[in-house]
Amino acid sequence: NAGVTQTPKFRVLKTGQSMTLLCAQDMNHEYMYWYRQDPGMGLRLIHYSVGEGTTAKGEVPDGYNVSRLKKQNFLLGLESAAPSQTSVYFCASSWPGAKSDTQYFGPGTRLTVL
Amino acid sequence: GIQVEQSPPDLILQEGANSTLRCNFSDSVNNLQWFHQNPWGQLINLFYIPSGTKQNGRLSATTVATERYSLLYISSSQTTDSGVYFCAVERGEGNTPLVFGKGTRLSVIA
Repeated sequence: NAGVTQTPKFRVLKTGQSMTLLCAQDMNHEYMYWYRQDPGMGLRLIHYSVGEGTTAKGEVPDGYNVSRLKKQNFLLGLESAAPSQTSVYFCASSWPGAKSDTQYFGPGTRLTVL
Repeated sequence: GIQVEQSPPDLILQEGANSTLRCNFSDSVNNLQWFHQNPWGQLINLFYIPSGTKQNGRLSATTVATERYSLLYISSSQTTDSGVYFCAVERGEGNTPLVFGKGTRLSVIA
């Protein structure tokens, strides 16, 4: 199993450009998440999904959109990138359960917006 | 929302030393996890521990849910233990996302 994969690994954008980050998981997990990590801030949740076709806002959703058309994929879109969106983006997935709701993380995407 | 505070923010250890990392949270939780982020950025789940004690090799964790804190113990530290340790919690309402603390940055020196 590949686990959780993210593409691309690195990207540089100019202000106002758009892009989509792809997250894929092969563990048949129901839940998927997008986080951003900034220096000294820990991880903050952007959006999440509790199943195919569903999405919900997290702590910092502004400027981002997401889609979960297939269970194994979770897309994060930036319609008009801003320098404040320079960050490392992590995707995670989990199988919700009463005993072990462990989240598994992808390797991250480092995004720079100039 | 729920607050998660980790201490200390930074820690430097000599190889072979032991350490204790603390995580305090402001409300009842039904999920608490400890993660290690290595120097290359990869996040690895260490423990799922909403209550009680677990051990995995040189690492162990204890959560006292009634007092709203969790401790991560690292014994006989090694340079490969370096990185950032995060505590993350989920509130006791069911199916809500994890809230992360800001982490403890550990540096183990040979």
